[in-house]
Amino acid sequence: GDQVKQSPSALSLQEGTNSALRCNFSIATTTVQWFLQNPRGSLMNLFYLVPGTKENGRLKSTFNSKESYSTLHIRDAQLEDSGTYFCAAGSGGYKVVFGSGTRLLVSP
Amino acid sequence: EAAVTQSPRNKVTVTGGNVTLSCRQTNSHNYMYWYRQDTGHGLRLIHYSYGAGNLQIGDVPDGYKATRTTQEDFFLLLELASPSQTSLYFCASSDGTGGYEQYFGPGTRLTVL
Repeated sequence: GDQVKQSPSALSLQEGTNSALRCNFSIATTTVQWFLQNPRGSLMNLFYLVPGTKENGRLKSTFNSKESYSTLHIRDAQLEDSGTYFCAAGSGGYKVVFGSGTRLLVSP
Repeated sequence: EAAVTQSPRNKVTVTGGNVTLSCRQTNSHNYMYWYRQDTGHGLRLIHYSYGAGNLQIGDVPDGYKATRTTQEDFFLLLELASPSQTSLYFCASSDGTGGYEQYFGPGTRLTVL
């Protein structure tokens, strides 16, 4: 099965609403990264987390290592938030493992 | 300025062609990575390196070679390109492996006809 499972796979929001994306991990995970891939394909770093919570503007992310999940909360969604969100699990090994992404569309 | 750059940004070649993708990082990071991204597969690791002259095999290495000439520069080589290698390729760098934060370049879109 998927080592990093993201949900939902796709999401539509209206401007101004709130939502949460989730990653569940079935591998030992010590750090989590969240990225936004814009429609042109570029990957933007959103958060890098050890267990705990970080906030940046309208975005907030939590990594709970004991329960093996991470969430990304989007508050007051804007059109420019549209894109595909990826989480990636890091461990003591040589690589990070990416989820398959959540495709978000924000509409007026 | 962008700390991880890739060139070219777009490339079209024919089956059997020879392609080199270039990546340069100015983060002074030891680790560099090459990924490919395909619909339904997310990002998959091709090769990585922890320093000049070093090369490590990733998860999907078949059909690819790579070379790290300096701390800054990492190249991905496709010596006999095939249509199955049509993909979006990303380079990344990090200060360490595994749990360290990775920083990505803008990507190279490769089409093999």
